[in-house]
Order: sequence, then C-alpha cells, then structure tokens
Amino acid sequence: EAGVAQSPRYKIIEKRQSVAFWCNPISGHATLYWYQQILGQGPKLLIQFQNNGVVDDSQLPKDRFSAERLKGVDSTLKIQPAKLEDSAVYLCASSSAGAGNEQFFGPGTRLTVL
Amino acid sequence: AQSVTQLGSHVSVSEGALVLLRCNYSSSVPPYLFWYVQYPNQGLQLLLKYTTGATLVKGINGFEAEFKKSETSFHLTKPSAHMSDAAEYFCATLFTSGTYKYIFGTGTRLKVLA
Repeated sequence: EAGVAQSPRYKIIEKRQSVAFWCNPISGHATLYWYQQILGQGPKLLIQFQNNGVVDDSQLPKDRFSAERLKGVDSTLKIQPAKLEDSAVYLCASSSAGAGNEQFFGPGTRLTVL
Repeated sequence: AQSVTQLGSHVSVSEGALVLLRCNYSSSVPPYLFWYVQYPNQGLQLLLKYTTGATLVKGINGFEAEFKKSETSFHLTKPSAHMSDAAEYFCATLFTSGTYKYIFGTGTRLKVLA
C-alpha cells in the first residue's frame, strides 16, 4: 500500500513570503494530521481533520497558518507570511478513524525561512 | 497541563548492550501511549503502542515497553542493541478526556557504539 506522500521535500524562502505544503494521505484514512517539528523538539500537532472537518486546531497560529482538506482526501497547509521561527519540518500523518489507531507519517517537508 | 517527558536527549550504548529509553507522562486519566522511531530524513514509524489490557507491550525490531500506572511511566527497552537501532525515538500519548490530542516528547537520540 502506498504511504503518505508530501511535497515538496525541501523549501527555502525569505521571511514574509508565502509557502504551501501538500499532503496525500493513505487511501481510506479518514483522519489527517499536520505537525510542526522544530529542530531538537518533538512534533507538535498543528491541526487535525476528520474527513474534511477540523477536529482540533488549537495550536495552529491562525493569523498566518491555514489548512484545508477539500473533499476529505488531500490537504494543503499554508503559511502567509512566513517568519524566521517557522523554520521546521512539517509532517503530515494519517490514520483510520478512531482513537488510538496508528498514525502513518509522511517524510516531511523541511522549511527554511531566511 | 498534559505533558510527556523523555529523560535524556542523547543516549549511547554499546552494540549488544541493553537499551533503556525513559518516558513519563502526566495525566489523571490513563492515556494511550506510543513509541515512534525516526531515521534521518524520514517520517516517524510506530514501534509499539499501549491502549488497554496487558501492560507489557511488544513491538517491532525486538523493542518492548511496560506501562506502569503507579509510576506514570512507559519506558522503552531492548535487550541487545544493534547498530541499525541508531535513530531518534519519540514517546507520545493520546489523551482521551474531551477531544483527543496527541502529545509528543522531545525525543531521545540513540547512538550505538561498535
């Protein structure tokens, strides 16, 4: 079975620019997660979708970050405008519906903001 | 606040020696508990998880962990380290009171010495 796909793998931008990341979850997985992993830290949940609805976005900086999951499949995470502290790896994960089900992670997008 | 603490950001063991990575959680409600491994430039991969039932959980690659409610711990062990075990390990919990939320520890980088 194909895993979670993410693109791009790497992105370098200057502060105040915009950037978007794309995630294609495992087919049939209802739940999709976006995490931010800053160097030396564990992943921090930014937003969780159940199908195309938001379950939790309490840690998403909504003044600059946005995410959508149209049609309950692919998802896009956008940062506008980017700040230096947004430099991190952005991980996408998916799981079948239900608490405690295994999350399958994509390889991540490494963002560098200069 | 709910949290996960991993003691030791870096652990070194000799090949063939016991691996012990420590994880403590804070919660008044027994959570779901996970250990993930992350190899360089890759996403996270689930090693094992505890949901309910038997407190000693066996995972992939010879790893196991024991849930100890009285100590609020979920330490990861492997009897004999292999060079291929060198990676970063994350403990995570899923708190299920109210809306469920995944929280990751800061990670422990395991180095295996020849």
